[in-house]
Amino acid sequence: QSALSQPASVSGSPGQSITISCTGTSNDVGGYNYVSWYQQHPGKAPKLMIYDVTNRPSGVSNRFSGSKSGNTASLTISGLQAEDEADYFCSSYRNSNPLDVVFGGGTKLTVL
Amino acid sequence: QLVESGGDLVQPGGSLRLSCAASGFTVYSDYMHWVRQAPGKGLQWVSVIYSSGRTYYADSVRGRFTISRDNSKNTLYLQINSLRAEDTAVYYCARDPDLRYALDVWGQGTTVTVSS
Repeated sequence: QSALSQPASVSGSPGQSITISCTGTSNDVGGYNYVSWYQQHPGKAPKLMIYDVTNRPSGVSNRFSGSKSGNTASLTISGLQAEDEADYFCSSYRNSNPLDVVFGGGTKLTVL
Repeated sequence: QLVESGGDLVQPGGSLRLSCAASGFTVYSDYMHWVRQAPGKGLQWVSVIYSSGRTYYADSVRGRFTISRDNSKNTLYLQINSLRAEDTAVYYCARDPDLRYALDVWGQGTTVTVSS
């Protein structure tokens, strides 16, 4: 069982918006702004899409946005495109002894 | 760019050393992580080495895995001992430039299979 909780799957039609949630605790998501989101296509390495809850690395489309409320972080993808179909993972620093980085179980996005 | 190597099929109890060669940046000036992904499963953090040389491990691998680097070769390593079936996974190395636990450069992964 993963440390952070994500829905197993979400779907949307091209042009629509979807949101993926990532629920943790006050020791990780809720307590720190070190929340990141990764996109992974089959057989490929993960790609960083969002860091520090809301920031996009250079080159990532502004259709991707992040937010956080309490112990739950969210990734929103607007204007869905076929190439957005992939697995998405959230991660967070966790205040642990001595240190931990935790991931969500991943969400499969299907573009209908 | 990061390029991993060293993955193999090994018997339970065996050992391996994974390598991760970096280009375009230096492994000693950034924070470098290992992350693994079991077949069909999610990502699992394994270890990090700070630019200072300090190291940290996930509970599941502490005492069996050792992260290190060779600055002259600009290469990161992961020594894996006492391998178990549950260590079977693709192992990725990744860069964390600012210790914000955001991994912005990943290797292609190297596969470790533990089976008799």
